[in-house]
Amino acid sequence: EAGVAQSPRYKIIEKRQSVAFWCNPISGHATLYWYQQILGQGPKLLIQFQNNGVVDDSQLPKDRFSAERLKGVDSTLKIQPAKLEDSAVYLCASSLAVVSRDRVVYEQYFGPGTRLTVT
Amino acid sequence: QQPVQSPQAVILREGEDAVINCSSSKALYSVHWYRQKHGEAPVFLMILLKGGEQKGHDKISASFNEKKQQSSLYLTASQLSYSGTYFCGTARSGAGSYQLTFGKGTKLSVIP
Repeated sequence: EAGVAQSPRYKIIEKRQSVAFWCNPISGHATLYWYQQILGQGPKLLIQFQNNGVVDDSQLPKDRFSAERLKGVDSTLKIQPAKLEDSAVYLCASSLAVVSRDRVVYEQYFGPGTRLTVT
Repeated sequence: QQPVQSPQAVILREGEDAVINCSSSKALYSVHWYRQKHGEAPVFLMILLKGGEQKGHDKISASFNEKKQQSSLYLTASQLSYSGTYFCGTARSGAGSYQLTFGKGTKLSVIP
């Protein structure tokens, strides 16, 4: 089974430029997440989609970040304009509901990430 | 509320054991454990659900004390391949938006 795909793997841009990242989740996974991981930190959730609807985007800096998931499959995350502090790895994850001991959990599987450097 | 992981870093020789802890100040629904090697994506290890639940995968196991909001990851007879940063991700609810909040990670280095 193919994993979560992301592109590009690396991107270097100057501040105030724009950038877009693409994610293709595991087939059949309805839930998709975008995370930001700053060096030395754990992943921080930016936005969560269920099919093509937004479940939570409370931690997305909406003045510069936007994301969409058209047709409930692929997703793009955009930053415009970029700031130096946006330098990080942007991880996409997808999940499937699993019933375990009469509880529902979501096993999340991560893609390889896009390493963004803003100069 | 971000879970607190301890220790921040640990160095082991091959064959030694280690314990990584994850604590939360809020009630938890589940705890997820991941391992991330440098420059790679986090890899899913296991999910723990109920108080006292323990799971194992090869020589890596974990427990979850629901009452204390704590989970521990046990690595026994460590191998070089166990090196990496271990993250716990906690979910507070199984309803609605199921979201994980990750700790800052524990860097494990296994040396020959």
